[in-house]
Amino acid sequence: AQTVTQSQPEMSVQEAETVTLSCTYDTSESNYYLFWYKQPPSRQMILVIRQEAYKQQNATENRFSVNFQKAAKSFSLKISDSQLGDTAMYFCAFYAPNYGGATNKLIFGTGTLLAVQP
Amino acid sequence: ETGVTQSPTHLIKTRGQQVTLRCSSQSGHNTVSWYQQALGQGPQFIFQYYREEENGRGNFPPRFSGLQFPNYSSELNVNALELDDSALYLCATSGIGNTEAFFGQGTRLTVV
Repeated sequence: AQTVTQSQPEMSVQEAETVTLSCTYDTSESNYYLFWYKQPPSRQMILVIRQEAYKQQNATENRFSVNFQKAAKSFSLKISDSQLGDTAMYFCAFYAPNYGGATNKLIFGTGTLLAVQP
Repeated sequence: ETGVTQSPTHLIKTRGQQVTLRCSSQSGHNTVSWYQQALGQGPQFIFQYYREEENGRGNFPPRFSGLQFPNYSSELNVNALELDDSALYLCATSGIGNTEAFFGQGTRLTVV
């Protein structure tokens, strides 16, 4: 079975500082994708960044970057120059195209609540 | 905004009742997935629909059922509501084989 673990229930960072959110996963699949989603108080899940397992290079989207360690099954999110609008719940998610018969089944971690302090 | 709309946004039901939640798909997205997110938890996959047929199901009992319509909009039906069904219900749409899912804002269901 695929599992996603986020061991930091809550994190806090000062505005303009850098913060790293941790995620580990377990799978026997070789072809999979990893995601970080942001869920603000508005509840809508927003995709922050995506990483394909076959790609060696870590994904980057503006202030957001990942550290993908495939052998260690680790997928951390780094947020640089934190902004007040980054305050949200962050979920790490896993997707394997051939798992479970459902094309777009996402497996989520329990989330990390990030608070950006002014 | 993702173009995925869910209705209603909030709902209160009594234990034993039935409820229908709705999701309109983003244009061009023929796959819809439903997730249940209990308070303080990550979303759990309920099921997925593709071309009006169920295309995968999570660990949820048969009283959770769904429909997808020709315009790709979808319904989630829950019969015989239980207190533990209280949660945020999210739908997500995507093109088949597309790894990016677009989420709606969710329906907050409270069962009393």
